Amino acid sequence: EVQLVESGGGLVHPGGSLRLSCAASGFTFSSHWMHWVRQAAGKGLVWVSRMKSDGSSATYADSVRGRFSISRDDAKNTVDLQMDSLGVEDTAVYYCARGGSWAARGYYYMDVWGKGTTVTVSS
Amino acid sequence: QSVLTQPPSVSGAPGQRVTISCSGSSSNIGAGFDVQWYQQLPGTAPKLVMFGTVNRPSGVPDRFSGSKSGASASLAITGLQADDEADYYCQSYDRSLSGSVVFGGGTKLTVL
Repeated sequence: EVQLVESGGGLVHPGGSLRLSCAASGFTFSSHWMHWVRQAAGKGLVWVSRMKSDGSSATYADSVRGRFSISRDDAKNTVDLQMDSLGVEDTAVYYCARGGSWAARGYYYMDVWGKGTTVTVSS
Repeated sequence: QSVLTQPPSVSGAPGQRVTISCSGSSSNIGAGFDVQWYQQLPGTAPKLVMFGTVNRPSGVPDRFSGSKSGASASLAITGLQADDEADYYCQSYDRSLSGSVVFGGGTKLTVL
């Protein structure tokens, strides 16, 4: 069964850091782009970051560039999101998602999603 | 303000057909980039229900169909069922934005 399981969420003070992790199973992890998408309570989906299947390329939304860093470990089948200088606006559920396989479009669509992990930034 | 524009809500009675629109621009849908649709049931993670504008993932019923015209796309659901009630998000790629993965603001589908 294809599965993504996020962990690492929690409560952090403004200006603090948090590292999210996503454990993948049931598919060839090294063949897929991996994404992070977030959703504030009652709001829509917002793409955060992606990493290419071979780890050679990482891309970020403007709102997190310079503060967040994505990485992957193909030996462990994990993708992490290091989040620094967190602000209240970063409060959201963070979803890990797999880039799809169709027509080499995995860099911009997601076919499998995890259940998410909640990040709360508050003093 | 989302790059892709969706109506906040649509509704229909069981058995009816509804469509959800997604309006973009010449830098995303109008530039020829594919559209995806995700269904998010209350309290759950999003689920892909349409990719490449017109393709249904395995397991998604053929009551769901996608289309595109110019800079807009639509998701149609026929034979509406109670468990179709969810939030639906369109998504595409925008060449004018760094990162470039863009979502619509979401549409709440209510089955009357």
